[in-house]
Formats: sequence, C-alpha cells, structure tokens
Amino acid sequence: EVQLVESGGGLVQPGRSLRLSCAASGFTFDDYAMHWVRQAPGKGLECVSGISWNSGTIGYADSVKGRFTISRDNAKNSLYLQMNSLRAEDTAFYYCAREASYGGEPLFDYWGQGSLVTVSS
Amino acid sequence: DIQMTQSPSSLSASVGDRVTITCRASQSISSYLNWYQHKPGKAPKVLIYAASSLQSGVPSRFSGSGSGTEFTLTISSLQPEDFATYYCQQTYRTLRTFGQGTKVEIK
Repeated sequence: EVQLVESGGGLVQPGRSLRLSCAASGFTFDDYAMHWVRQAPGKGLECVSGISWNSGTIGYADSVKGRFTISRDNAKNSLYLQMNSLRAEDTAFYYCAREASYGGEPLFDYWGQGSLVTVSS
Repeated sequence: DIQMTQSPSSLSASVGDRVTITCRASQSISSYLNWYQHKPGKAPKVLIYAASSLQSGVPSRFSGSGSGTEFTLTISSLQPEDFATYYCQQTYRTLRTFGQGTKVEIK
C-alpha cells in the first residue's frame, strides 16, 4: 500500500525556519518525481515545489523561490522541504504528492495527509 | 510560472444539470492538463488527465476537452456526490501549477 506521511509542521515565528519531511513507503521511491503542495485556510491548492526522481530537475513557485529548498534522499525514501524566512502567508497545510506517469502523461496519484504550518508571532 | 485561470470561481447547480468549467493557461501547454476533484478532508482525486483522458474508475459523465491554452471540464448530469471543488493543473513545466479552483455547490 502506497503511503506518504508528512511531519515537521508546527507553530513558528515570522522569519524563522522549519523543515518538513515526507516518509514514503509501499512503492519504489526513486522511480517517481515528488512535489510539495500547500493549501492555506479557505484557499485553493498551490504547488510549491517539485523534484525529479534523481534531483536533476527542480522547480519552485515564485512565492517561495529563494526561501524554500526541496530535496530528497532516495536511500531513506524521504522527501524534504526546508523553509526559511517564513512569512504569515506561508501558513497552510503542506502535502507531499507522488507524480505518476499514465501513458507518458504526468499526474499526482497519491497524496499525504498533510502537515500544518502556522507562521505567527 | 505558468498561470492557470479557472472560471467560474463558484457555481450553484441542481442534480441532473450539465456543468461546464473552463481553464485558461497563460501560455500554450499542449495537452498537459489534468482535472482534479477535491472534497474536504480527502486527497484530491484525478478525474481527467492529458486534457481528455478519463482516469480509470471515474464515471463517464465527466469529460474534458481542449488544447493549447483553453480547456473545459464537463459534467453531463450532476450527481449528489459531485458537489466538490474542481481544479485544473498544468504539467507542461516542472512546477505543476493549479488553477484557483471552482466550487460546485447545491442550488
């Protein structure tokens, strides 16, 4: 059974840092690209960052570029999101998502349960 | 980033109605467009991938069309379980951006 379990969220002051982790199981982790998606209270889904299977291709939303860093450790079946210089507008549930390929077409087929990050003084 | 714009942001409809949601990309994305259904407390579920391919297990009342910059999701006959928020997503670039969502509510 495919499982994605996020951890590391919590309450943090503006300007501080936090590191999210996503533990993957039930599939061959290094066969898949992975992504971080967030949803702020009452808002829609925002893709924050994505990383290819071998970390060779990485992308960031303009809203987090220069502050957040995505990484993965295929030996540990884990995905990470280092979040620096946090702002109130970064408050959201953060989800990791697996990207599968259906006939060569990418889509997000499994999601974690989410980790809440609250940025407040 | 490629910007994805959905319309409308919300709509009210009755069971049995035909519903159409539009998604526009800020640049051409060929057919690299997916549609998701999202209900509170649950993971988003893929309905349509590659603009018009129905995901396995998804009812045939859902259909997608379009290419380039203009895309459409159609629900031919709205069912009670279809009340949810729908998102388009482009997969043309590494950063897979979503539209802002369309909330489908009961009239």
